Amino acid sequence: SQELEQSPQSLIVQEGKNLTINCTSSKTLYGLYWYKQKYGEGLIFLMMLQKGGEEKSHEKITAKLDEKKQQSSLHITASQPSHAGIYLCGADLSRNTGNQFYFGTGTSLTVIP
Amino acid sequence: DTGVSQNPRHKITKRGQNVTFRCDPISEHNRLYWYRQTLGQGPEFLTYFQNEAQLEKSRLLSDRFSAERPKGSFSTLEIQRTEQGDSAMYLCASSFSPFRGHNQPQHFGDGTRLSIL
Repeated sequence: SQELEQSPQSLIVQEGKNLTINCTSSKTLYGLYWYKQKYGEGLIFLMMLQKGGEEKSHEKITAKLDEKKQQSSLHITASQPSHAGIYLCGADLSRNTGNQFYFGTGTSLTVIP
Repeated sequence: DTGVSQNPRHKITKRGQNVTFRCDPISEHNRLYWYRQTLGQGPEFLTYFQNEAQLEKSRLLSDRFSAERPKGSFSTLEIQRTEQGDSAMYLCASSFSPFRGHNQPQHFGDGTRLSIL
């Protein structure tokens, strides 16, 4: 079973459009992390959320963690071709940090110039 | 800025051979993780170390897999008697975990891509 569900699986948008990627868990998210991956490369850390209701922004990317700490969203404003890649959410599903860490299956983003 | 380094980047070997991968974490990080990633999937947790102690192992880590971090710095992941199903990207990550407080984000290497012929 998949501990973290991401939607959509893939997204194709025109440059300049806004988009949202969701990450949902049936368990409490004690730490939620967003990463970006380009094909054949490692993961690049984007943002970390730990408190219910927390919201963080970096440049044109905003991530939120809901109050119940079971869902997170990643929003990109005015998308650019440089935003293309695979976005992954990862989470601690236990209070004991460092125990098994789970990732979603990823969302593949294509931005058409 | 020295990030997480993994060697080799690519490994092609015949079924039944043993392979060993190396990971050099960010120097001040006390935690080191190994993951396996197949095409179209997110990384799957294999194991992690706090300093030199291996604290958690996934069920995915069969007895053909062994990981070490002998001095709490670099780590090796060995796969014995490789099978075609072992073909994947093997990712290493490191982080700093304070004695008290929340874990910090994991920083990843570029991975070792293993192909079994």
